[in-house]
Amino acid sequence: DGGITQSPKYLFRKEGQNVTLSCEQNLNHDAMYWYRQDPGQGLRLIYYSQIVNDFQKGDIAEGYSVSREKKESFPLTVTSAQKNPTAFYLCASRGMGTLGYNEQFFGPGTRLTVL
Amino acid sequence: GNSVTQMEGPVTLSEEAFLTINCTYTATGYPSLFWYVQYPGEGLQLLLKATKADDKGSNKGFEATYRKETTSFHLEKGSVQVSDSAVYFCAQSSMNTGFQKLVFGTGTRLLVSP
Repeated sequence: DGGITQSPKYLFRKEGQNVTLSCEQNLNHDAMYWYRQDPGQGLRLIYYSQIVNDFQKGDIAEGYSVSREKKESFPLTVTSAQKNPTAFYLCASRGMGTLGYNEQFFGPGTRLTVL
Repeated sequence: GNSVTQMEGPVTLSEEAFLTINCTYTATGYPSLFWYVQYPGEGLQLLLKATKADDKGSNKGFEATYRKETTSFHLEKGSVQVSDSAVYFCAQSSMNTGFQKLVFGTGTRLLVSP
């Protein structure tokens, strides 16, 4: 089955530690995205990538870093510089075809809790 | 900048009741509009979309019409089920050099009781 996988589903981190969230897709999509979701708020864009080896900051990139070494993978690192990292993190991908509209597909999410 | 405003929840209904969740947007140009649904502990799923004015998106009994004159995209369903209990997000998108940016509302939680 094609789709997006995120791991782990739950992640606990001590203050001051960096942690990396995994996102893998087998949809052959070019574009990938990371969003953060907080209670009672919509999703906010952290980083996005349109092609391999290229990525851009979104609206709330401070304290986060990403890489895009492979088309299928777009890991997100939450660094110790992120002041309030406890949140639900969602990865998405999107095809870049020119025929019709291409929606963003979302993974199941990773819930990060800082202890 | 572009934004989406949707009604605060929770919306609490009995099974088979009529559902409306209001959504309005501000945008430069003519964005595409979406409703996403999030079930507990899961990611978002696209429920329906409309890409131009007067388009009606529909799926699983849900409908929404793109109203340019009122900048609205209200979600409706004639008869809700307990299984419709979820959080619903309205969103708009714009394209810039091939990059699709989605702007989300804050979400509306729907609770349907038997």
